Amino acid sequence: DAGVTQSPTHLIKTRGQQVTLRCSPKSGHDTVSWYQQALGQGPQFIFQYYEEEERQRGNFPDRFSGHQFPNYSSELNVNALLLGDSALYLCASSWDRLNTGELFFGEGSRLTVL
Amino acid sequence: QKEVEQNSGPLSVPEGAIASLNCTYSDRGSQSFFWYRQYSGKSPELIMFIYSNGDKEDGRFTAQLNKASQYVSLLIRDSQPSDSATYLCAVRGWAGNQFYFGTGTSLTVIP
Repeated sequence: DAGVTQSPTHLIKTRGQQVTLRCSPKSGHDTVSWYQQALGQGPQFIFQYYEEEERQRGNFPDRFSGHQFPNYSSELNVNALLLGDSALYLCASSWDRLNTGELFFGEGSRLTVL
Repeated sequence: QKEVEQNSGPLSVPEGAIASLNCTYSDRGSQSFFWYRQYSGKSPELIMFIYSNGDKEDGRFTAQLNKASQYVSLLIRDSQPSDSATYLCAVRGWAGNQFYFGTGTSLTVIP
């Protein structure tokens, strides 16, 4: 049973560029959340997707956008990259009907902005 | 004020000792609380969750919740070197979709 998979694992961009990160949820899961984890910090909620719509959003600017596809996979897009966007981006999946709150995290995409 | 606060440590305990990790939260209406373990360079993995006041035990781990004091703790008995990691406290937001994480406490178990 494949867990949550994310790609790419590492990437380097320059300021002003755009990036797309991808996530495939754990089999059977229908909900995808994205978190940003800066070095030495805890994960911060960016947004959550369910039924192909953004269900809730954290305190992140509109430069951060996402999408969920019919197969429940998801993308996170970040436009006009800033140095402060350098972080580990974590995708977490869950099954909405189970609603225990348990999140299954992928290994993350480490973004470096130069 | 941060939603969830933890002592960042580092916390060092000898092998076999009890490690005690603490967390406070600001939203008195919070209902569910989670402890995640994160090894260096890896993603967080769930250890335990607790919803009710009191203690919840799972093997060597015990989660304790005191909603009146807005305080959650995790006890690790018979600590092992493999327990060396960062422990993240997480609180589920009222809407149920957002989790607020603390900055984590770094634990080192010394053989």
